[in-house]
Amino acid sequence: GESVGLHLPTLSVQEGDNSIINCAYSNSASDYFIWYKQESGKGPQFIIDIRSNMDKRQGQRVTVLLNKTVKHLSLQIAATQPGDSAVYFCAENSQGAQKLVFGQGTRLTINP
Amino acid sequence: DTAVSQTPKYLVTQMGNDKSIKCEQNLGHDTMYWYKQDSKKFLKIMFSYNNKELIINETVPNRFSPKSPDKAHLNLHINSLELGDSAVYFCASRFQGLEQYFGPGTRLTVT
Repeated sequence: GESVGLHLPTLSVQEGDNSIINCAYSNSASDYFIWYKQESGKGPQFIIDIRSNMDKRQGQRVTVLLNKTVKHLSLQIAATQPGDSAVYFCAENSQGAQKLVFGQGTRLTINP
Repeated sequence: DTAVSQTPKYLVTQMGNDKSIKCEQNLGHDTMYWYKQDSKKFLKIMFSYNNKELIINETVPNRFSPKSPDKAHLNLHINSLELGDSAVYFCASRFQGLEQYFGPGTRLTVT
């Protein structure tokens, strides 16, 4: 069955360093991927998305990389700041489906 | 502010009670969702409505009944609440794109 998962449930980085959050998916029919950030006590917030016809997309301080060969997705956050502390989720959508399937989440902690 | 809003933010109730959670979006979106987030932060879709029509109904106990009076509102009614229903419930909406916009969540605690 389809599943989306993360390699690491927790990640600690030093302020100012770059962070990389990984995600694996198993559904080869997935054609759209999205990253969400969830701060404590709040709902998930859209960060960036990517379609399967791309392998890289950049936003403000964030980059998403997609490797369809190994069904792997990553979120890179440059110059991590205290405000980046949150749980990060990847999610995928299969063509024709109207729902997102979420991974388990990675908690990112920023050390001063 | 344009947003997805939910009421109440916190809900504490006893087993066996019936309760409702309300969701409203003023984004002009056509599709709305309910998700359940458990204590391990896992997000699972429950229902989806498009223009008041139910389009997704995951394996959810029939004690849960969504209702969409119009495309800007999607409410969730839960009958005979059980301890296992304790979770954070999120409403979300989207327009034609695939990105969904989430509400602030309703933390339901069943005692």
